[in-house]
Amino acid sequence: EPEVTQTPSHQVTQMGQEVILRCVPISNHLYFYWYRQILGQKVEFLVSFYNNEISEKSEIFDDQFSVERPDGSNFTLKIRSTKLEDSAMYFCASSTHSYEQYFGPGTRLTVT
Amino acid sequence: DAKTTQPTSMDCAEGRAANLPCNHSTISGNEYVYWYRQIHSQGPQYIIHGLKNNETNEMASLIITEDRKSSTLILPHATLRDTAVYYCIVSQVNRDDKIIFGKGTRLHILP
Repeated sequence: EPEVTQTPSHQVTQMGQEVILRCVPISNHLYFYWYRQILGQKVEFLVSFYNNEISEKSEIFDDQFSVERPDGSNFTLKIRSTKLEDSAMYFCASSTHSYEQYFGPGTRLTVT
Repeated sequence: DAKTTQPTSMDCAEGRAANLPCNHSTISGNEYVYWYRQIHSQGPQYIIHGLKNNETNEMASLIITEDRKSSTLILPHATLRDTAVYYCIVSQVNRDDKIIFGKGTRLHILP
């Protein structure tokens, strides 16, 4: 069964450093998303992406964040200058329909 | 601005049916009810969705009341692997809509 994959599974970085989280969505999906979940809290929407542009973004997704689909398979989330409060689990998802989004296993980002 | 209300936690014995309720009294006519779950430390997983008719798939059944103000997700024969947080979500179905997750119901399956 096709699945969304994410790398790395765990990323540790120092405050102020740039990080890139990578995702490979399911191959025939057209809609792509990033969510995050701070430990013990709800899953929060960050951004949706379709047709090579952002469809919607949340208040969390400020100028420090960017997304890119550099080729036909990868979908990346970049945080330019990480802050302690960016520590969270980041989930990538893809879909052909909004009601059935397929989530990856997540990348745990730890900012020290 | 929560559109749904779910119990914080529930227990169910292994092998029994788990019935998870959800209230969505302000649901509008073009909004669907859909359910996801999140097993510990994993990404959320789609379970099922419906508009007004009852729905069943290989994972679960969804029972929506006639007035659509509440629904119940049924896991017919719960196993230990069904221990997870279950999210009831109400939203219009647009192709690139974000999912707004609430706190969900933490379901414990007891051996």
